[in-house]
Amino acid sequence: EPEVTQTPSHQVTQMGQEVILRCVPISNHLYFYWYRQILGQKVEFLVSFYNNEISEKSEIFDDQFSVERPDGSNFTLKIRSTKLEDSAMYFCASSEAGEQFFGPGTRLTVL
Amino acid sequence: GENVEQHPSTLSVQEGDSAVIKCTYSDSASNYFPWYKQELGKGPQLIIDIRSNVGEKKDQRIAVTLNKTAKHFSLHITETQPEDSAVYFCAATLNTGFQKLVFGTGTRLLVSP
Repeated sequence: EPEVTQTPSHQVTQMGQEVILRCVPISNHLYFYWYRQILGQKVEFLVSFYNNEISEKSEIFDDQFSVERPDGSNFTLKIRSTKLEDSAMYFCASSEAGEQFFGPGTRLTVL
Repeated sequence: GENVEQHPSTLSVQEGDSAVIKCTYSDSASNYFPWYKQELGKGPQLIIDIRSNVGEKKDQRIAVTLNKTAKHFSLHITETQPEDSAVYFCAATLNTGFQKLVFGTGTRLLVSP
């Protein structure tokens, strides 16, 4: 069964460093999303992406965040200068016909 | 914007009992309501969903009901098993153009043998 994959599973970084989280969506899906989940809290929407551009973004998705689909299969989330409060699980999701399927997540720890 | 409330935050049942988790939403325009199961260390897994043109949907031991007038929807799990233990999230969205999901706060379900 097709699934969304994410790498790395865990990323530890120093505050102020740049990180790139990678996702491979399900191959025939056209809509891509990033969500995050701070430990013990609910899943929060960050950004949606379609046709090589951002469809919608939340207030969390400020100028420090960017997304890219560099090669037709990967979908990346970049955080330019990480803050302590960026520590969370980051989930990628993709959809074709409405139903969103999530990857296993990347745990980002900012020290 | 949409806001989703979910209750209870924790639910403990004995194996074989039924479990019910309830959610309310604020935006009457929302028309798609999925439920996700999240096991420890994993991503949310879609288990069932319902669209606003139906009132109930069932898939084996899992069912979801929707009351559009009251703006609430519920997840029903019958004959619970220990492997049903997980955190369950409801969500809502205006599923036109594949909009963002707005999640509830989650329910930790514990099924004891």
